[in-house]
Amino acid sequence: EDKVVQSPLSLVVHEGDTVTLNCSYEVTNFRSLLWYKQEKKAPTFLFMLTSSGIEKKSGRLSSILDKKELSSILNITATQTGDSAIYLCAAPGAGSYQLTFGKGTKLSVIP
Amino acid sequence: NAGVTQTPKFRILKIGQSMTLQCTQDMNHNYMYWYRQDPGMGLKLIYYSVGAGITDKGEVPNGYNVSRSTTEDFPLRLELAAPSQTSVYFCASSYSAGGYYNEQFFGPGTRLTVL
Repeated sequence: EDKVVQSPLSLVVHEGDTVTLNCSYEVTNFRSLLWYKQEKKAPTFLFMLTSSGIEKKSGRLSSILDKKELSSILNITATQTGDSAIYLCAAPGAGSYQLTFGKGTKLSVIP
Repeated sequence: NAGVTQTPKFRILKIGQSMTLQCTQDMNHNYMYWYRQDPGMGLKLIYYSVGAGITDKGEVPNGYNVSRSTTEDFPLRLELAAPSQTSVYFCASSYSAGGYYNEQFFGPGTRLTVL
């Protein structure tokens, strides 16, 4: 059974801090790993990672995949209150396009 | 483009009632999905479809049915609603071809309460 595990499950930081969110996976026939941000409503896509060691970056957010360690991290630098959200990690399973999601990391950024 | 739209936004059902959650996408995506999200539990796949006329069960299909008569629409039917179906339901779509996986786009969700 495919599994995606995120840690920590929740995190409270002050504005300006840098945070690292973790995602580990056990997925048959791994192809990619995705990060989503979920505020009050629908998850919105952040990154898709397919190659180990190549960082993807968007503003203050960046993510990298480590296929050897079966894991990925999502970094957010200089956090802002608008970064408060649940961050979801997911991976498609073997032979299909179904996504297996982790439980998410709830990030709260306080002023 | 409206993307993925879902109706209704909220609904309260009594135990045993039935309803259909509507989902439409205008991106000409071939793949569509229904997820449910319970607090602290991430998203669980209910059903998915790889094209019109083709559907398959996901991780938690019991108590639900789907159909896909057109590329755009993927309704989810709840028969005999139970309190355990209280959840937030998300529809999503993606375009996949030649074995290459693309990201899924999500609708705004339907919050369903069964009392």
